[in-house]
Amino acid sequence: DVVMTQPPLSLPVTLGQPASISCRSSQSLVHSDANTYLNWIQQRPGQSPRRLIYKVSNRDSGVPDRFSGSGSGTNFTLKISRVESEDVGVYYCVQGSHWPITFGQGTRLEIK
Amino acid sequence: EVQLVESGGGLVQPGGSLRLSCAASGFTFSNFAMHWVRQAPGRGLEYVSVISSNGDNTYYANSVKGRFTISRDNSKNTLYLQMGSLRGDDTAVYYCARGRTTPAWGQGTLVTVSS
Repeated sequence: DVVMTQPPLSLPVTLGQPASISCRSSQSLVHSDANTYLNWIQQRPGQSPRRLIYKVSNRDSGVPDRFSGSGSGTNFTLKISRVESEDVGVYYCVQGSHWPITFGQGTRLEIK
Repeated sequence: EVQLVESGGGLVQPGGSLRLSCAASGFTFSNFAMHWVRQAPGRGLEYVSVISSNGDNTYYANSVKGRFTISRDNSKNTLYLQMGSLRGDDTAVYYCARGRTTPAWGQGTLVTVSS
């Protein structure tokens, strides 16, 4: 199975400041169809997961444009340009290029 | 809009069985592989099982292999997870998810294994 690594596990950030969450995969996530199926999931406290970004950099409808995704191959990043209080929660990267889908351990974003 | 609604969870004794369902809508269900994912209390998301779009291929996490069976009914747009020989460490919220991009997540269904 593809191992997804997400350092750090906890990320304290000051309101209004940027945040960056990284994700590394144990093998390339470029699928044979040329797509890279790396998605970012947000889970706010007490809520179900919600997808923010799919295929590395495509923002879901309704997701604020302060969220952006980038990367290629085995290294990926989720960036929040200016953290707001509603961004508190756990962020997971999940790869869908290889079965089974696998998740990073999650990065807990908290307000400093 | 893609919607997934999980059901069938509850309290079950160790060694017991339970069948979870996931009702899908808003997309052509038979075109997509489907997954079960779980989240134990205070823990991260963990893959449980996946089934191909036509049901011919299935994969299981080692922790559930031989105890859980994934299936689907494309005529009913429904995914299932038959869970047997349940253990305390199977206690979790169980979610279903779609395909390679996992666009939608339901509210999940809570399975509690306890005597």
